[in-house]
Amino acid sequence: GAVVSQHPSWVICKSGTSVKIECRSLDFQATTMFWYRQFPKQSLMLMATSNEGSKATYEQGVEKDKFLINHASLTLSTLTVTSAHPEDSSFYICSARDGTSGRRLTYEQYFGPGTRLTVT
Amino acid sequence: GQNIDQPTEMTATEGAIVQINCTYQTSGFNGLFWYQQHAGEAPTFLSYNVLDGLEEKGRFSSFLSRSKGYSYLLLKELQMKDSASYLCAAMDSNYQLIWGAGTKLIIKP
Repeated sequence: GAVVSQHPSWVICKSGTSVKIECRSLDFQATTMFWYRQFPKQSLMLMATSNEGSKATYEQGVEKDKFLINHASLTLSTLTVTSAHPEDSSFYICSARDGTSGRRLTYEQYFGPGTRLTVT
Repeated sequence: GQNIDQPTEMTATEGAIVQINCTYQTSGFNGLFWYQQHAGEAPTFLSYNVLDGLEEKGRFSSFLSRSKGYSYLLLKELQMKDSASYLCAAMDSNYQLIWGAGTKLIIKP
């Protein structure tokens, strides 16, 4: 159980275009989802936290107009990178927290497999 | 401020034991996580400690001392597939994970 999927797993786009990444919790309800970015040989950097049905909370330095996050349902969150530039090329990873009582005690985050974005 | 410190890189021999240390400073504390991340893949959960002491799970064990702000991950009977980065993350009072930069573990035959 506790599987999170991401789509696409990799994407190449041209500079100036927008890219949408989907994150789905397959067998649990994700009341909270997190979006991370990871550059080569660096640790995870939290970009934003989204709760179902409300606006995402962005970390300092992350442009909310550039990285649009929508968490419309308990199983789906999307990240749209608008007007992508080569410096946005990175590994984007989502994670989800299970909102059911069985796992609430640990607040464990379940990670998706990641999406590698390359902007040319 | 909030901070997590762990070594950047460690090397160990196949079959041996290695201990990866992590120290943390957070605003409040709701537990300490260890994740394993192979190159190009997402992190996978290894352990969670919220009380002092040692938690053993097969070849992997994790220890926590809340008074010292210290944790370690112990890997026994090392295998080549254990070559990966190991991420330490502390959960603060807002249940937000504060991530360390990760420790790259290199296993040599």
